[in-house]
Amino acid sequence: GAGVSQTPSNKVTEKGKYVELRCDPISGHTALYWYRQSLGQGPEFLIYFQGTGAADDSGLPNDRFFAVRPEGSVSTLKIQRTERGDSAVYLCASSWDSSYNEQFFGPGTRLTVL
Amino acid sequence: AQSVSQHNHHVILSEAASLELGCNYSYGGTVNLFWYVQYPGQHLQLLLKYFSGDPLVKGIKGFEAEFIKSKFSFNLRKPSVQWSDTAEYFCAVNSGYSTLTFGKGTMLLVSP
Repeated sequence: GAGVSQTPSNKVTEKGKYVELRCDPISGHTALYWYRQSLGQGPEFLIYFQGTGAADDSGLPNDRFFAVRPEGSVSTLKIQRTERGDSAVYLCASSWDSSYNEQFFGPGTRLTVL
Repeated sequence: AQSVSQHNHHVILSEAASLELGCNYSYGGTVNLFWYVQYPGQHLQLLLKYFSGDPLVKGIKGFEAEFIKSKFSFNLRKPSVQWSDTAEYFCAVNSGYSTLTFGKGTMLLVSP
C-alpha cells in the first residue's frame, strides 16, 4: 500500500498569491493532520480532521489559512495572500483514527514565498 | 499547553560510539511519547513509541527509549551507532489530544 502522498513537492510563489497544497492519506485512515515545519524547528500542528470535519483547527496561524477534506479522504490546505513568513515545509500525516495511533507522515511540500 | 524540549541540537559521534539524546516534556497528565527520525531526503518515520506498560521501549534499528515519569523524560539510546544512523531525530508527545507536539529536533552526524 502506498504511503501518504503530497503534491506538489515544491512550490515557489510570489508574495500575495494564493496557493493550494494537497494531501492524499493512506487508504482507510480516517484522521488527517497538517503540520508546518520551519527551518531549525520541529513540526508544528496546524489542523486535524476526523472524517470530513475539522476536529481541531487551533494551530492555524490566522484566517489566511484554511483546509478542507470534503469526502473524508484527500485534503487541501489553502493559503491566501501568501507572505514570506509562510515559507516552510508543510507536512501531512494520517492515522487510523484520532485516538492514540501512530501518525504516518508524507514527504511534505516545500513552500517558498518570494 | 504541553511542550517538548530536546537538549542537543547537534550531536557528532564516531561509529560504534554510544548515543543518548535527551527529551523532556511538560505536561502533568497521561502522555504518549514518540521518537521520529528523518533520514536525509526522506520523510518522518516512527522510531518507537510509548503508550503504557514497560517504560523501556525498544524500537527499530536497535534504538530504545526509557520513560521516566518522575523526570518527565523520554531519552533515546543506542549502544553503538552506525554511519547510517545519520539523521534528524524528533521527540514528540500527545496527551488527551490527537495532535503531536514536537521538539525542535536533534541532528545526529555519525562519522565513519
